[in-house]
Amino acid sequence: AQKITQTQPGMFVQEKEAVTLDCTYDTSDPSYGLFWYKQPSSGEMIFLIYQGSYDQQNATEGRYSLNFQKARKSANLVISASQLGDSAMYFCAMREPFSSNTGKLIFGQGTTLQVKP
Amino acid sequence: DTGVSQDPRHKITKRGQNVTFRCDPISEHNRLYWYRQTLGQGPEFLTYFQNEAQLEKSRLLSDRFSAERPKGSFSTLEIQRTEQGDSAMYLCASSLEDRGRANYGYTFGSGTRLTVV
Repeated sequence: AQKITQTQPGMFVQEKEAVTLDCTYDTSDPSYGLFWYKQPSSGEMIFLIYQGSYDQQNATEGRYSLNFQKARKSANLVISASQLGDSAMYFCAMREPFSSNTGKLIFGQGTTLQVKP
Repeated sequence: DTGVSQDPRHKITKRGQNVTFRCDPISEHNRLYWYRQTLGQGPEFLTYFQNEAQLEKSRLLSDRFSAERPKGSFSTLEIQRTEQGDSAMYLCASSLEDRGRANYGYTFGSGTRLTVV
């Protein structure tokens, strides 16, 4: 069964500094997709970045980049130049293998990030 | 299209009462997912629809829960005889699933926060 593990319940970062949020995953299927979402206190899950298992390069989206280490089964999110508005809960998620075609997402426990001014 | 809408945003109900939540997905999306998120945890899959067909239900979805998606448009999630353990955020997400193409375009609503007293 697929599993996502986020071992950092809470993180602090100084404004304008970079921060790395950890995510490890477990799957036996060679074809999978990994996501990071941001959830502010309003509750909405905001898509940040996606990495496919066959993608040759690490994904980047503006200030967000994904440090994908396939052999170690890790997909850490790096946020550069943190802003106060980055304070939120962050979730790593994995899509069920494409072969199952359900498209459902399996989420980790989340990491609360607080950006200090 | 303004995204995925969920109604109500908040619901407080007495134990034993029935409640119904509504989700309006992005109109061209054929898939609709329901997730439940308890405090401090990641969302957990409940059920999903492809058009009007409900294709999978999690074991978390007891027989007190029922979901529908008539005509493949909006969806409702009903909980009968609510219990305090049902208190959670109920999130809806939609996507356009196109067989043969990896999909990573999930759009989440802001959720319905249920409190059972």
